[in-house]
Amino acid sequence: EADIYQTPRYLVIGTGKKITLECSQTMGHDKMYWYQQDPGMELHLIHYSYGVNSTEKGDLSSESTVSRIRTEHFPLTLESARPSHTSQYLCASSSGTGLSGYTFGSGTRLTVV
Amino acid sequence: RKEVEQDPGPFNVPEGATVAFNCTYSNSASQSFFWYRQDCRKEPKLLMSVYSSGNEDGRFTAQLNRASQYISLLIRDSKLSDSATYLCVVNPPPSNTGKLIFGQGTTLQVKP
Repeated sequence: EADIYQTPRYLVIGTGKKITLECSQTMGHDKMYWYQQDPGMELHLIHYSYGVNSTEKGDLSSESTVSRIRTEHFPLTLESARPSHTSQYLCASSSGTGLSGYTFGSGTRLTVV
Repeated sequence: RKEVEQDPGPFNVPEGATVAFNCTYSNSASQSFFWYRQDCRKEPKLLMSVYSSGNEDGRFTAQLNRASQYISLLIRDSKLSDSATYLCVVNPPPSNTGKLIFGQGTTLQVKP
């Protein structure tokens, strides 16, 4: 049973459209993360949050933005989608210090045409 | 140098074989370590944490060597269902941030 939910699971959208990828968790975790992963490639951290009103950019530069208005919700937004944004986006959360690892959502596979 | 390095493989082994993966990490002050499993087009899932004393979970054994800064995963009696990519994951300092660093993964293909 998933405790972290991502929607949509798949999204095909035209260039220039604004999109928001949703991520919600029911575990009360303070820390949440967004990763980007191309097929067969490694995970890259693009955004993270340590709690409400806290957001930071990750190691990989991304044109996306995030917000954290509620503990359980960490949406990612692309103001103007481009084909280079085509990828899988994975959301994760953790209880705190990293000693227990992350729980990942099932991901959103984005295709920009 | 990458913070976490793994041999990408693929490792092609027959059913029943024993296979070992190694992973090296660059920050000697790293505090916690994990192995994750990722199936094709799925999210990573925690396989096991890795402790200094080594730990075992059924057919899987994880070892940590702090002096040499490497982590290993041993899979005994491989099953077809073990075919996946195995990600080595490290929690570098400052450890209270909870930011984990993922290796690129080692692909295992178990064949009948």
